[in-house]
Amino acid sequence: AQSVAQPEDQVNVAEGNPLTVKCTYSVSGNPYLFWYVQYPNRGLQFLLKYITGDNLVKGSYGFEAEFNKSQTSFHLKKPSALVSDSALYFCAVRDDRGSTLGRLYFGRGTQLTVWP
Amino acid sequence: DGGITQSPKYLFRKEGQNVTLSCEQNLNHDAMYWYRQDPGQGLRLIYYSQIVNDFQKGDIAEGYSVSREKKESFPLTVTSAQKNPTAFYLCASSMGLAGPQETQYFGPGTRLLVL
Repeated sequence: AQSVAQPEDQVNVAEGNPLTVKCTYSVSGNPYLFWYVQYPNRGLQFLLKYITGDNLVKGSYGFEAEFNKSQTSFHLKKPSALVSDSALYFCAVRDDRGSTLGRLYFGRGTQLTVWP
Repeated sequence: DGGITQSPKYLFRKEGQNVTLSCEQNLNHDAMYWYRQDPGQGLRLIYYSQIVNDFQKGDIAEGYSVSREKKESFPLTVTSAQKNPTAFYLCASSMGLAGPQETQYFGPGTRLLVL
């Protein structure tokens, strides 16, 4: 079965510092991985995805994610955090086989707070 | 949120009442999804549909029903059988299910509260 884990419920970082939001995954086939961001009382916004190729994926708003197959991780990163980055971040893995083809499985989310 | 609309933004349900949440998309997407979000639990899939007149149960379908009569619309009914309906409901769509590059895009959500 496909699953993702976000080991940190909360991440706090000072503005201007680099940030990392962690995600590990478990898949029975190829890993197709996604990051979404959610602002309060809003829907999820797509940030980036890994399908194949370069292990460093660049996405929206200056975010990037590093795919590491040996560690089964897909951590979200940004070199310099902004207060406006404060939000809830979700990692997701896509099912690529069988009767559940195309479904996304989400982690529980990590609340990022960037302090001014 | 662009291209997917959900209404209403807030919905109040009385005990024993069925309520319907609207989801419309103008992205010409074939696949549509309904998720439920509870604090600290991430998103859980209720129902999804790959094509008009076809839909499948997700992980928590009990107490919910859907229809897909038009490509652009995928309404969700929360029935009286759903005993704990208070949650944030999110609709999403994607071009299809088959391609690994398919990305799901989300609407702004509907918050359902029980009176």
